[in-house]
This record gives sequence, structure tokens and C-alpha cells, in this order.
Amino acid sequence: DTGVSQNPRHKITKRGQNVTFRCDPISEHNRLYWYRQTLGQGPEFLTYFQNEAQLEKSRLLSDRFSAERPKGSFSTLEIQRTEQGDSAMYLCASSLRATGVYEQYFGPGTRLTVT
Amino acid sequence: AQSVTQLDSHVSVSEGTPVLLRCNYSSSYSPSLFWYVQHPNKGLQLLLKYTSAATLVKGINGFEAEFKKSETSFHLTKPSAHMSDAAEYFCVVSDARRNSGTYKYIFGTGTRLKVLA
Repeated sequence: DTGVSQNPRHKITKRGQNVTFRCDPISEHNRLYWYRQTLGQGPEFLTYFQNEAQLEKSRLLSDRFSAERPKGSFSTLEIQRTEQGDSAMYLCASSLRATGVYEQYFGPGTRLTVT
Repeated sequence: AQSVTQLDSHVSVSEGTPVLLRCNYSSSYSPSLFWYVQHPNKGLQLLLKYTSAATLVKGINGFEAEFKKSETSFHLTKPSAHMSDAAEYFCVVSDARRNSGTYKYIFGTGTRLKVLA
């Protein structure tokens, strides 16, 4: 399968613990996005990478959140000192910089439950 | 600021009858618009996209959407619903501000489509 993959698919953690999620985009895609989706809502933008550079961060991304894309390929999203409000589906998407419309391709998501 | 409003949180139709999912957008720029579908425990799948080339856009699985600038709408339709169409549907506008290369997505709150046998 050559789509966007995310690991783990599910994560249950206790409040205060750190968690890290991984996203592997489609191989030739240079743009990578993270979104968060809570129950009954549409996904909300968290952050964006073009190659290895993090070019935009949402105000939703508190200082407990950090994202990296070290070699412009896979990306990680870390949440430190998790809180119950962090429980959500974390979605990764990638797209290719090209002329025309930049549709994004989404992974299956990582569902985080903070107990 | 750009935004989308999905006018119905839930829509129920009988199998074989038409589907209409409504979406209105707000944009200061010429918008890029999309519809995505999300089946339970599956990723978001692109149904169709508006590229400004044609106002009537055809997508996968028989879905269509019509861009109406005068009404700022981008409603999704399908002539005949199938049981497999039951899912959550999201209308999306891409943040395509001039000189901004992010093109991040701004999602609507979603419409859950239920198809009755």
C-alpha cells in the first residue's frame, strides 16, 4: 500500500504521560499536515511542513506539543504531559507541491485516549 | 478568514433516492473546495474537488457538486443513494491566501448520511 500510514492506530495513556505518533506520507509528497479531530467535529489544522521545515503552527498547538520531520520524509508528533482534553483522533495528510489544486491524502489516524 | 458551513448535521434518505448535502463557504479569495467522505474506522477519502475549471464537478461513486459563486455554495449530490454511501461527509475549503503557501484545510463540522433500506 502506497498511501499515508500512521502508527500506532490506537494509543491509551494515563494523564501526565508523554506520547509520540508517527506519520509516513506518500513517498514523493513534500507537504505534510497534522490535524486533530474530536468527536462530532471536523478535523482542525495543527501544523504544516514543507520538506523538513515547519512553516506554520496553529494556536491549538500548545507548548506541550512538538512536531518534527527531520529528513523531509516521515514526521512525528509528540505530546508531553498529556491531559484528558488531548483525547482525539490525530490525522496526518500529505500533498505534492505542483501546479493546480493541492489535494491532501489522509492517513487512517491515531486515536488517543487519555485516562 | 475562510470558512465552510455544513447546513445539516444529519441527513437520512432511502436507498435509491437522491442525496443532497449542503455546504456554504466564505472566502476572500477564489476558493479551492473539496468534499471528503469518512467511513467508520477509515481515513478521509477525497470525493471531488473544485479547481475553477468547471462549476459542475464530478467525483467518485456517482457524486457531483456544483460551485455557485453567487450563492457561495458547493452542495454535494448523488442521484441514487446506496447503502454503502452511509458515512460522514466533510466540505472543505483550502486556505489559499495570496503569498501563503500553506494550503491548509478548513473543514466543516460534517454531515452524517444515513441510508435507509
